[in-house]
Amino acid sequence: EAGVTQFPSHSVIEKGQTVTLRCDPISGHDNLYWYRRVMGKEIKFLLHFVKESKQDESGMPNNRFLAERTGGTYSTLKVQPAELEDSGVYFCASRDYEQYFGPGTRLTVT
Amino acid sequence: AQSVSQHNHHVILSEAASLELGCNYSYGGTVNLFWYVQYPGQHLQLLLKYFSGDPLVKGIKGFEAEFIKSKFSFNLRKPSVQWSDTAEYFCAVNVSITGGGNKLTFGTGTQLKVEL
Repeated sequence: EAGVTQFPSHSVIEKGQTVTLRCDPISGHDNLYWYRRVMGKEIKFLLHFVKESKQDESGMPNNRFLAERTGGTYSTLKVQPAELEDSGVYFCASRDYEQYFGPGTRLTVT
Repeated sequence: AQSVSQHNHHVILSEAASLELGCNYSYGGTVNLFWYVQYPGQHLQLLLKYFSGDPLVKGIKGFEAEFIKSKFSFNLRKPSVQWSDTAEYFCAVNVSITGGGNKLTFGTGTQLKVEL
């Protein structure tokens, strides 16, 4: 069984540019989560999808972040325009009885 | 809102030494507790979890953790570490309520380095 995959693994962009991160959950998992770890800090929850619906987006930092999960399969997280403080590792997880994490996307905003 | 504290940010041990990593959480209600591990270059993976029942839980690779409700603690232990245990360890909780969504609140992580 394939695990959670994320693309790209690394992204380096300039301040003001747009970046879109993708997460493919484990097939059949209705619950999908996005988390972020800023360097040196804890992993923080961003939002939670159940199928295509946003169940909880209380962790989204601001309106520069937009998450979608059309069709309830893969999810994208777009940052537009990116700021320096958006740098970090973005993790995706999908859940049946436990959360399975992807490898993360390391985003660097210069 | 709940929070999680991990007291040790960096730990260096020699092989065969015993390990205990501290984790305390703050939340007045019922929580589920987890330890995750991230080996170098790998995904976060679940080491062990506590939902209810026996407060001493055993996980993979010889790890165990004890839930002490009165101390709001869930410390991770291993009697004898190996070089391959070098990794970052994360304590996490989620609130055990219907419709709670199961989002995880993490501690800041502990970098463990095991020296030969």
